[in-house]
Amino acid sequence: GNSVTQMEGPVTLSEEAFLTINCTYTATGYPSLFWYVQYPGEGLQLLLKATKADDKGSNKGFEATYRKETTSFHLEKGSVQVSDSAVYFCALLGTSGGGADGLTFGKGTHLIIQP
Amino acid sequence: GAVVSQHPSWVICKSGTSVKIECRSLDFQATTMFWYRQFPKQSLMLMATSNEGSKATYEQGVEKDKFLINHASLTLSTLTVTSAHPEDSSFYICSARDLGVPTEAFFGQGTRLTVV
Repeated sequence: GNSVTQMEGPVTLSEEAFLTINCTYTATGYPSLFWYVQYPGEGLQLLLKATKADDKGSNKGFEATYRKETTSFHLEKGSVQVSDSAVYFCALLGTSGGGADGLTFGKGTHLIIQP
Repeated sequence: GAVVSQHPSWVICKSGTSVKIECRSLDFQATTMFWYRQFPKQSLMLMATSNEGSKATYEQGVEKDKFLINHASLTLSTLTVTSAHPEDSSFYICSARDLGVPTEAFFGQGTRLTVV
């Protein structure tokens, strides 16, 4: 079955530091990959996505590249801000279910940015 | 982008009562909706897949008689937690897929359920 593995936190960084959150996946076929962000007490917001190999998703300074050869989708940001503090989920959407599949989530990484 | 509205955003109920959570796709039709549960500081676990006009498909370990799912129309799915107990307290999130955008899923705001 499908699975997503991401680095567990919490990850604590100083403001303006470089961020990397690792994510690897296992899936059959050609899944779509996502990063979602969850702020305290709120639902999930889509941060970025990539639907095929070598695609780069980007949004709000965050980037992630779909690497099929290493089955990875690592999240990066060059200079983090305090407002980036949240929980980040890597997720996979399979293609084998004909549109009836739910997302498979990683366990989430709690990011804490200190001023 | 597509919007999924979930209601209520939070609810407190007494043990033994039932609670209904609604999930609506506001600007697209969703033949398939998904219900997730999230425990504090943990990831989202898929509970069930809701199909319009047919019975929901439950994940292993999820009690279908306790978590009743109805997908009455292409824009509405409901989750009813029956005879709720404190261990059912959790954050419930729905998601919907738009057939016009097959490579993405859209999420509701989530419902914080507290059973006292």
